[in-house]
Amino acid sequence: EAGVTQSPTHLIKTRGQQATLRCSPISGHTSVYWYQQALGLGLQFLLWYDEGEERNRGNFPPRFSGRQFPNYSSELNVNALELEDSALYLCASSLRARGYTFGSGTRLTVV
Amino acid sequence: AQSVSQHNHHVILSEAASLELGCNYSYGGTVNLFWYVQYPGQHLQLLLKYFSGDPLVKGIKGFEAEFIKSKFSFNLRKPSVQWSDTAEYFCAVNAVNTDKLIFGTGTRLQVFP
Repeated sequence: EAGVTQSPTHLIKTRGQQATLRCSPISGHTSVYWYQQALGLGLQFLLWYDEGEERNRGNFPPRFSGRQFPNYSSELNVNALELEDSALYLCASSLRARGYTFGSGTRLTVV
Repeated sequence: AQSVSQHNHHVILSEAASLELGCNYSYGGTVNLFWYVQYPGQHLQLLLKYFSGDPLVKGIKGFEAEFIKSKFSFNLRKPSVQWSDTAEYFCAVNAVNTDKLIFGTGTRLQVFP
């Protein structure tokens, strides 16, 4: 069984640009979660999608947004990038919160 | 709002020493509890989880955790650590009526041979 896959692995952008990160959940999982892991700050909850709908979002500005497609894959978009957006972005999937499986992450560097 | 506290930010041990990492959460309702591990350069992996039943949960690699409801705690233990246990450990909680998984800030464990 394929795990949660994220692309790209690394992404380098300049300030003010937009970044798009992608996540494919485990087959059969309907929920996708996005987390930001910045140095020294642990994992901060960003967004939760289930059945195509945004169910909850963390304490992040609106320039962090995303969507979930009919095949349950998801995209995270970060607009107007700032230097402090540099972090590892992790995606996880689950089925009814009975177990969360994480991807390897996308390392976003903003220069 | 839910929150998770991991009081030990950085723990340094010698091989064969015993380990206990603290985790406390704040939420009055029913919760599911998790410990994840992140080895250097690798992705998060589930160590163990508690949903219900026996409050002493055994996970992979000799780790165990005990859920003490009265103390809102879910401490991680291992009787004898190995150098290969060097990693970052995250405690996480989700309230049963939500799917949102809340993480603690993590504990960095370094084990020296």
